[in-house]
This record gives sequence, C-alpha cells and structure tokens, in this order.
Amino acid sequence: SQTIHQWPATLVQPVGSPLSLECTVEGTSNPNLYWYRQAAGRGLQLLFYSVGIGQISSEVPQNLSASRPQDRQFILSSKKLLLSDSGFYLCAWSVFRGLPWGYTFGSGTRLTVV
Amino acid sequence: AQTVTQSQPEMSVQEAETVTLSCTYDTSESNYYLFWYKQPPSRQMILVIRQEAYKQQNATENRFSVNFQKAAKSFSLKISDSQLGDTAMYFCAFMKHAATSGTYKYIFGTGTRLKVLA
Repeated sequence: SQTIHQWPATLVQPVGSPLSLECTVEGTSNPNLYWYRQAAGRGLQLLFYSVGIGQISSEVPQNLSASRPQDRQFILSSKKLLLSDSGFYLCAWSVFRGLPWGYTFGSGTRLTVV
Repeated sequence: AQTVTQSQPEMSVQEAETVTLSCTYDTSESNYYLFWYKQPPSRQMILVIRQEAYKQQNATENRFSVNFQKAAKSFSLKISDSQLGDTAMYFCAFMKHAATSGTYKYIFGTGTRLKVLA
C-alpha cells in the first residue's frame, strides 16, 4: 500500500535560519507531489507541485523553494526564514496522469518562526 | 480564475442530528471534480467524499452525502446522524486538470469548523 511520510512534525526556527522539510512516498512510482501551506485561520494554499524528478512548478512567489532529487522525495527549503513563513505545511501525492481520486496527504509539519 | 467559497466559518450540531455545510465555486470549466476533506484536531487531511462534475447523481458515503447543483455551482455536504468524531475542520475543494503540466490541482475553500455537541 502507498504511504507518505513527512518530517519533522513540529519545528521552531529563528528568523533568518534555513529550512528543510522532507516528504517521501512509498508504494508508488512517478507520483505527482505537492506542497501546501495552511496559515492560521485560512485554507490550504498550493505552494509547489512536481510531475517528475527535477520538475518543479511554483504557484505563488515566496521565500521558499522546492526540489525533487528522487522520484519519491520532495523537499521544501528556504535559505532565510521570515516570520510570515510560519504555518502548517502539508505534503501530498496523487496518481500521475491518472484519475484525480483525491490526494493522500502527509501528517504535516507545524513551523513556527520566532 | 477558479474560486471556492465556504461562507460558514463555524457551525455546531447536536450529536445524532443532521448538519449541512455549504460550498460554492466559480469556474468556466465543464469538466472538473469536487471534494470534501475533513481535518480533525490531529491535522491529518482525510478525504470524505468526491463528485465528478459530469455525473448528475449525488455522491454518498455512509452518513455523508452531497447536494451537487452544477448550474448553481453549489456543492454542499450533509452529515447525517452526527457523531462526536465528526468534529473537525471541513474543506471543500475544486480540482481540475492542468493540461500543460499533466497534473491535477486543487483549489481549497477556507474551511468550516464543525463542532458536534454531546
């Protein structure tokens, strides 16, 4: 069965420090991968998505970047965190070019920038 | 651009009663998909129900059903026999296929916080 792992679960980082959140998927190949952010009291906003290794699409301009070094690995990064980067980050995967039977989400990372 | 609107930030319902969460969306697409997701306090996003826009029949999943009104661009979720475990944030989501990238992308509403009262 397919599983998605996301870590760490919580993270407190000072302003200006770097960030690396990792997401890996098991039990499937060539998935579509996504990073979403949920700010306090708001809905989910798509940040990045990837349809293949090295292929990253950005949905909104921001202080973050994403990379996909392996088929089932998706990394969210920042060189220097801002206070506004605080939020709940969710990784998700879906079937590549398949029917959109919803995503499978990871358990999320709560990031607090102080 | 597509938008999804959930006009009820918070709702409450007595255990065993029925509640309806509203969702409207705006799109010029003819082929798309609609979903309801549940996010309990654990923050794990859980798919509740989905609806294909080309299907006229409303989707049902046990105690969960939708009222899909395509012309009105409305997609409400009805929860029957509410249980304490239904307490969660509920997100309505619109999904369409992006032909240029070959992927499917969601647009989420801002959510409705539902509390089931004992």
